[in-house]
Amino acid sequence: SQELEQSPQSLIVQEGKNLTINCTSSKTLYGLYWYKQKYGEGLIFLMMLQKGGEEKSHEKITAKLDEKKQQSSLHITASQPSHAGIYLCGAVYGGAQKLVFGQGTRLTINP
Amino acid sequence: EPEVTQTPSHQVTQMGQEVILRCVPISNHLYFYWYRQILGQKVEFLVSFYNNEISEKSEIFDDQFSVERPDGSNFTLKIRSTKLEDSAMYFCASSSDSSRLFFGEGSRLTVL
Repeated sequence: SQELEQSPQSLIVQEGKNLTINCTSSKTLYGLYWYKQKYGEGLIFLMMLQKGGEEKSHEKITAKLDEKKQQSSLHITASQPSHAGIYLCGAVYGGAQKLVFGQGTRLTINP
Repeated sequence: EPEVTQTPSHQVTQMGQEVILRCVPISNHLYFYWYRQILGQKVEFLVSFYNNEISEKSEIFDDQFSVERPDGSNFTLKIRSTKLEDSAMYFCASSSDSSRLFFGEGSRLTVL
């Protein structure tokens, strides 16, 4: 079974609209990471969350980690075409050095 | 911002051939990783490398795979005898403290 589940798997929104992507873990997280991937390209780091209840923002993107450290949401305000891509959440679990990824959410922005 | 660089960007090989994918991690980083992404699937962990040895590896990383840091700057992934199912994008990553990972642009491997 998946350790990290992202929802939705794909999302199409009108430019200028807000949107939210969720990432749920089956276990308590040691750290939660959000990356963005454009098709056929590498992964671009967005944010890292470690503390329960933590919230971080970068430009129009905000990510939160819930108090129990098992769920994170990524919120984009006033979406733009440049936000299009695949958003990946990644998790580190206690005792491990590896980053485990969810299956990704493909975001399309319609003009 | 410093970058992880990978070569080649795309390699086409015949089944059964050996392939070496190369990575130049960020210079002061100590932790190195290989991930792969089969087309349309999720990014999967292959192996992590620290202090000149493998620190963790996944079930995917079987005896056909090996990693090496031959000269203190390059980090390589070797696949000894490629199979069709090895076709994927392979990503190298490095980190200074095993927290934030910096990823390269990837090497696309096509096995015919």
